[in-house]
Amino acid sequence: QVQLVQSGAEVKKPGASVKVSCKASGYSFSDYHMHWVRQAPGQGLEWMGWINPDSGATNYAQKFQGRVTMTRDTSISTASMELSRLRSDDTAVYYCARDAFGSGVMDVWGQGTTVTVSS
Amino acid sequence: EIVLTQSPATLSLSPGERATLSCRASQSIGIYLAWYQQKPGQAPRLLIYDASNRATGVPARFSGSGSGTDFTLTISSLEPEDFAFYYCQHRSTWPLITFGQGTRLEIK
Repeated sequence: QVQLVQSGAEVKKPGASVKVSCKASGYSFSDYHMHWVRQAPGQGLEWMGWINPDSGATNYAQKFQGRVTMTRDTSISTASMELSRLRSDDTAVYYCARDAFGSGVMDVWGQGTTVTVSS
Repeated sequence: EIVLTQSPATLSLSPGERATLSCRASQSIGIYLAWYQQKPGQAPRLLIYDASNRATGVPARFSGSGSGTDFTLTISSLEPEDFAFYYCQHRSTWPLITFGQGTRLEIK
């Protein structure tokens, strides 16, 4: 079945970087854009950006430009999201999500990765 | 930037009742609106896309309507498993995306 499995929880200090991975299975990885969405504790969903696994093209939300980098490794069907210069308000659950049609509808989600930023 | 405003923030209903959730866009977004359900500790789940299309496996009691700036998610008869958070999301400014702030549907 179609599945996205994310890497495990992370604890980081302010100023550090974190890299979260998302391994896809059950479908052709290169055929579907991958989004990253985060959710701070008790808050709503916040879209961070997407990557086209086929071309490597990316598009980031303005809020994260300069701090986020999305990459992919097609040989292992894995997308990754790295966030740098972490702050305490980056503490959140980070999700990857497959784009169903290449235009912003997210039909399959990973289980989420908790990132805690604390000194 | 298009802002999505969901109302009410919290909706308290009983199983078997009809739920009506609203999502209003700050400017016209055509039909490019999706709805997601999220239960505590779980990832979101796609319910509706392009305003009224049910995603695969979504029960028929869920329906979406609207276009332009006003959209509605209706749950015709609430089941116990429907009590959750609901988020709307637009893609009319693709490749950029935004979510609404969410509605909590709680058991009365």
